[in-house]
Amino acid sequence: NAGVTQTPKFRILKIGQSMTLQCTQDMNHNYMYWYRQDPGMGLKLIYYSVGAGITDKGEVPNGYNVSRSTTEDFPLRLELAAPSQTSVYFCASSPNTRTSSGNTIYFGEGSWLTVV
Amino acid sequence: AQSVSQHNHHVILSEAASLELGCNYSYGGTVNLFWYVQYPGQHLQLLLKYFSGDPLVKGIKGFEAEFIKSKFSFNLRKPSVQWSDTAEYFCAVKSSGNNRLAFGKGNQVVVIP
Repeated sequence: NAGVTQTPKFRILKIGQSMTLQCTQDMNHNYMYWYRQDPGMGLKLIYYSVGAGITDKGEVPNGYNVSRSTTEDFPLRLELAAPSQTSVYFCASSPNTRTSSGNTIYFGEGSWLTVV
Repeated sequence: AQSVSQHNHHVILSEAASLELGCNYSYGGTVNLFWYVQYPGQHLQLLLKYFSGDPLVKGIKGFEAEFIKSKFSFNLRKPSVQWSDTAEYFCAVKSSGNNRLAFGKGNQVVVIP
């Protein structure tokens, strides 16, 4: 069982370039999330999705876009990369949160992005 | 919006010492509470969680946490740490009716052999 898979693991971008961080989960989870982690700042929610075709902004959505065309995939797009987007990005998923087990969020292994 | 406070961002301990990490949250209603651990270079893993029932929760690797509703707290404890407990620890809170987790800023714990 692969769980939550993110690619790429590491990427260096130049200012102004665009790229997509891929995320896929094989647990048939309804909910998916993108977080960024900066030193000493914890995790901040960028975007989340409660199901295919539905996305919503988190705390820090500016400079990012997402889509959710299938249950499995939740790509995160950076259109015009800026140095402030240098961070570690984590994709996560959880099942239906109405059940007690559904409240646990499972994380991918992270994508280290540097914008120079 | 829910906020989560973790104090003492950097903690340095010797092996066999006891560890306690504080976590306080702001929301006064029903909450689900979590502690996640991130070992160096790895992703976040769930240590333990509280949904309801016994406020003293046992997790993996000898960790436990106690939910004290009156203090809005969910402190993490381990009686005797090991070098392998060196990691960053995050408290997270989910309010009822909300699908999102709010994270604290984390505690960087270093255990010296």
